Amino acid sequence: DAMVIQNPRYQVTQFGKPVTLSCSQTLNHNVMYWYQQKSSQAPKLLFHYYDKDFNNEADTPDNFQSRRPNTSFCFLDIRSPGLGDAAMYLCATSADRGNTEAFFGQGTRLTVV
Amino acid sequence: TQLLEQSPQFLSIQEGENLTVYCNSSSVFSSLQWYRQEPGEGPVLLVTVVTGGEVKKLKRLTFQFGDARKDSSLHITAAQPGDTGLYLCAGPDYGGATNKLIFGTGTLLAVQP
Repeated sequence: DAMVIQNPRYQVTQFGKPVTLSCSQTLNHNVMYWYQQKSSQAPKLLFHYYDKDFNNEADTPDNFQSRRPNTSFCFLDIRSPGLGDAAMYLCATSADRGNTEAFFGQGTRLTVV
Repeated sequence: TQLLEQSPQFLSIQEGENLTVYCNSSSVFSSLQWYRQEPGEGPVLLVTVVTGGEVKKLKRLTFQFGDARKDSSLHITAAQPGDTGLYLCAGPDYGGATNKLIFGTGTLLAVQP
């Protein structure tokens, strides 16, 4: 089945140790999103790509970076995780610029120790 | 940036009761979506409403888009424990070079057996 897959489902990292979360999609969608979600709150958009065009939200900390080497894959890099970065990270895709119906992965639960 | 406010924020009801969740904005949206998110999972798209005044039904769930396309509601009839989850409205924000998906503040629903 076409889908959005995030790896790993659970990630434990040490305070200050760089960590990378990955997302892949088989939907061939042009748009990919990264959201941060803290306990039962709404997802907060960090950045999104339209094809290779990167769009950063104004309030996304510099500590968060992203790469999209091709249509299928997208990575979220947290350069120096702090305790406040512990959250669920959600990757999503949508078909194209004019269609925001999103398909989400299962998320990566990040714990910082 | 357009904002979406949901009410209530939390809702705990007994099995068999009816409920309504509201999603409001001061901005006009070309469409609104509703997602349900179960604990530990990514959000799943339930419906998209596009036309002002539109009503869509999905089994026991009824979705309505306001005439002015600034608000939407979700009504659940005879709620069941399986309806438990975080309900999110979402819509496209055309503020930047690409459309991006923004979420409402969320409604956490617990249905007790």
